[in-house]
Amino acid sequence: TQLLEQSPQFLSIQEGENLTVYCNSSSVFSSLQWYRQEPGEGPVLLVTVVTGGEVKKLKRLTFQFGDARKDSSLHITAAQPGDTGLYLCAGARNNFNKFYFGSGTKLNVKP
Amino acid sequence: DAGVIQSPRHEVTEMGQEVTLRCKPISGHDYLFWYRQTMMRGLELLIYFNNNVPIDDSGMPEDRFSAKMPNASFSTLKIQPSEPRDSAVYFCASSSRGGDQPQHFGDGTRLSIL
Repeated sequence: TQLLEQSPQFLSIQEGENLTVYCNSSSVFSSLQWYRQEPGEGPVLLVTVVTGGEVKKLKRLTFQFGDARKDSSLHITAAQPGDTGLYLCAGARNNFNKFYFGSGTKLNVKP
Repeated sequence: DAGVIQSPRHEVTEMGQEVTLRCKPISGHDYLFWYRQTMMRGLELLIYFNNNVPIDDSGMPEDRFSAKMPNASFSTLKIQPSEPRDSAVYFCASSSRGGDQPQHFGDGTRLSIL
């Protein structure tokens, strides 16, 4: 059983559409990170959130950390083919160096 | 900066053979992490080091797995003897100061055990 559950597992949309992916847990996290991974490469960090209720924006990407620090969401506005990839959330609990990764959301944006 | 460098990129070997995966972290990074990624279990932390010292190896699946970091610029993950269920992509990552600092991942080693 994964400590962090991500949904949906797969998402295929047209260019220009909006989407939201979710990262949920019954555990509280001291910090949460979002990564994007492309085929044949390692994950690349997008953002870190540490405060309950925190919202961070990265161009067309909006990240939110739940008030109780148990969940997070990633919203993409006007998706582009370059957004295609595997999106992973990772949370750290008491051990700030040990991150638990979710199973990921595989996003495909069609031109 | 060159980033985290892993070798080999691909490894195919027969069951029972010893496998050694190598990692060169980013210069100046104090933390080094080994992960394994599979379709079934996702990305799992195997072990991590701080200043070359293993801190948490609770994710290492069995005694067949061992990891070392003889100096700040080199780490190995060894599997002996290897089994088909060890087939996965193995990633090394490094970070400075740990905590919520970003982990920089290598491109991984795709391991296939026949």
